[in-house]
Amino acid sequence: GAGVSQSPSNKVTEKGKDVELRCDPISGHTALYWYRQSLGQGLEFLIYFQGNSAPDKSGLPSDRFSAERTGGSVSTLTIQRTQQEDSAVYLCASSTRQGRTYEQYFGPGTRLTVT
Amino acid sequence: AQRVTQPEKLLSVFKGAPVELKCNYSYSGSPELFWYVQYSRQRLQLLLRHISRESIKGFTADLNKGETSFHLKKPFAQEEDSAMYYCALTSGGYNKLIFGAGTRLAVHP
Repeated sequence: GAGVSQSPSNKVTEKGKDVELRCDPISGHTALYWYRQSLGQGLEFLIYFQGNSAPDKSGLPSDRFSAERTGGSVSTLTIQRTQQEDSAVYLCASSTRQGRTYEQYFGPGTRLTVT
Repeated sequence: AQRVTQPEKLLSVFKGAPVELKCNYSYSGSPELFWYVQYSRQRLQLLLRHISRESIKGFTADLNKGETSFHLKKPFAQEEDSAMYYCALTSGGYNKLIFGAGTRLAVHP
């Protein structure tokens, strides 16, 4: 079946502009996560959704970052007034319970370059 | 603090040689430990988890609570094992994954 999809796959933007990154989780997955993969920081957690609520936003690096999820499905990560240090690959993952286990399935990522 | 440490950025071996990718963790409680793999131009995918105690693609990993380690091992490396490997932990359930910095495994012919 279809996996997690993300769009765009690549985004180049100028410093100071706003960007929106989109994630389509696997159908039926109630949990959705955003992570960031950058050269200096490795893979770091940003935010987690359960349904449309975000019980854990602890990884958002500043108030320029926000995310929402609608209909328990699609999520959008918004970065306002982008800075060069925001350049990274933004990964989305979704998860559901399978028996006793929970596995996070990752999307292909959006590579963001801020010039 | 919760932390995952992978001390090697790069591990370079020849085909057929044994491989051990190191992972140590810091966590107050009983975490779940995972190994994720990212092959070139592919998405991050789960390789194995400690609670399953399984062998995937010849890889195994044993959780050593005394040494707080979860090293990934394979007796005979193959060229197709070349990839980026990430060790990760979670407190369980739907909670977030905390990743190590990753180790790039390069298997040479």
